[in-house]
Amino acid sequence: AQTVTQSQPEMSVQEAETVTLSCTYDTSESDYYLFWYKQPPSRQMILVIRQEAYKQQNATENRFSVNFQKAAKSFSLKISDSQLGDAAMYFCAYRSDSGYALNFGKGTSLLVTP
Amino acid sequence: EPEVTQTPSHQVTQMGQEVILRCVPISNHLYFYWYRQILGQKVEFLVSFYNNEISEKSEIFDDQFSVERPDGSNFTLKIRSTKLEDSAMYFCASGLGTGGADTQYFGPGTRLTVL
Repeated sequence: AQTVTQSQPEMSVQEAETVTLSCTYDTSESDYYLFWYKQPPSRQMILVIRQEAYKQQNATENRFSVNFQKAAKSFSLKISDSQLGDAAMYFCAYRSDSGYALNFGKGTSLLVTP
Repeated sequence: EPEVTQTPSHQVTQMGQEVILRCVPISNHLYFYWYRQILGQKVEFLVSFYNNEISEKSEIFDDQFSVERPDGSNFTLKIRSTKLEDSAMYFCASGLGTGGADTQYFGPGTRLTVL
């Protein structure tokens, strides 16, 4: 079974600064998908960004980008120009190309300070 | 923007009782999922459902659990005889199609407390 590890339970960033959230995973598969989900307090999880393992180019969505290192099995999320609304729990997730389940990490709580 | 909705937001039940958690997926979605999160632990996959049958389930999804799409809009998770360890947040999700890149849209969750 694939394991997803988020080693930072909490992170803090000042407004307008940049922060990087770490995620590593363990798999023997070559085809898979990686996701970052955001869960604001008392709200549902929403997809922030996704990465197909077969793509070498790192995914980018506005202020959010990833650093995908397939050989190192690393998938970090960079948030640029942090905003107060970015404060949330962030979950890294893995999905096999042949399966349906999202396999989540334990999450990183991001605090954004003014 | 369409959202997945779940009812109730909080359910309290006695150990051994049956509970039904309800979800309304996004209307044109075909794939449906249940996940749970025990307090302080990670979100765990329970089951996926497509074309009126289970497409994948985890080890957690044992005989006490069942899912159903009773009509064209609802998707339910039934726990037949609740245990203390079933206390968790239960999330429903839906998606348009299979393929690993498909986005799963999550509901706000139902907090289940088993006393």
